[in-house]
Amino acid sequence: AQTVTQSQPEMSVQEAETVTLSCTYDTSESDYYLFWYKQPPSRQMILVIRQEAYKQQNATENRFSVNFQKAAKSFSLKISDSQLGDAAMYFCAYRGDNFNKFYFGSGTKLNVKP
Amino acid sequence: NAGVTQTPKFQVLKTGQSMTLQCAQDMNHNSMYWYRQDPGMGLRLIYYSASEGTTDKGEVPNGYNVSRLNKREFSLRLESAAPSQTSVYFCASNLGGLRNQPQHFGDGTRLSIL
Repeated sequence: AQTVTQSQPEMSVQEAETVTLSCTYDTSESDYYLFWYKQPPSRQMILVIRQEAYKQQNATENRFSVNFQKAAKSFSLKISDSQLGDAAMYFCAYRGDNFNKFYFGSGTKLNVKP
Repeated sequence: NAGVTQTPKFQVLKTGQSMTLQCAQDMNHNSMYWYRQDPGMGLRLIYYSASEGTTDKGEVPNGYNVSRLNKREFSLRLESAAPSQTSVYFCASNLGGLRNQPQHFGDGTRLSIL
């Protein structure tokens, strides 16, 4: 089974600054999708961004962008101009050949300081 | 615009009691999932249903049963609750068939077993 590792249990960033959350994964598959989800205190899981492994261009959604390095099996999330509303748990997820299954990392709790 | 609806949102059980968590989606999705979320462990897949009439075990199926009642509904049953099943449970769905389809989540059920 694929494994997804988020090595930073908790991080802090100053409001308006930039922060990068790390995610690595282990797979032998060549085609797959990677996702970042945000879980605020309300518990709702919200899709932030997704990346297809075959696309070399890094995905971007407004202030959120990824640094996808396929050879290194790394998929980090960069949040620019951090806002108080960005405070949440962030989960990295993998979906591969068995596309009925998603594999999630253990999450990174992001604190945003005013 | 309900999306994925889970009931109940909170529940306290005594050890040995049984309970069914309900999940319904109104997005005409083919695939549905049950996860549990525990601190420091991310989301772990309990069971999933790739399509109406099929169910398969995930990573942590012991102590649970599921029923895909129809395309909309996917229930999770605890036959004899144990304290180790104290967790937050999430139901999710997606269209299925394509890797780029993200999971859509319900708001979760916080279950405490005494």
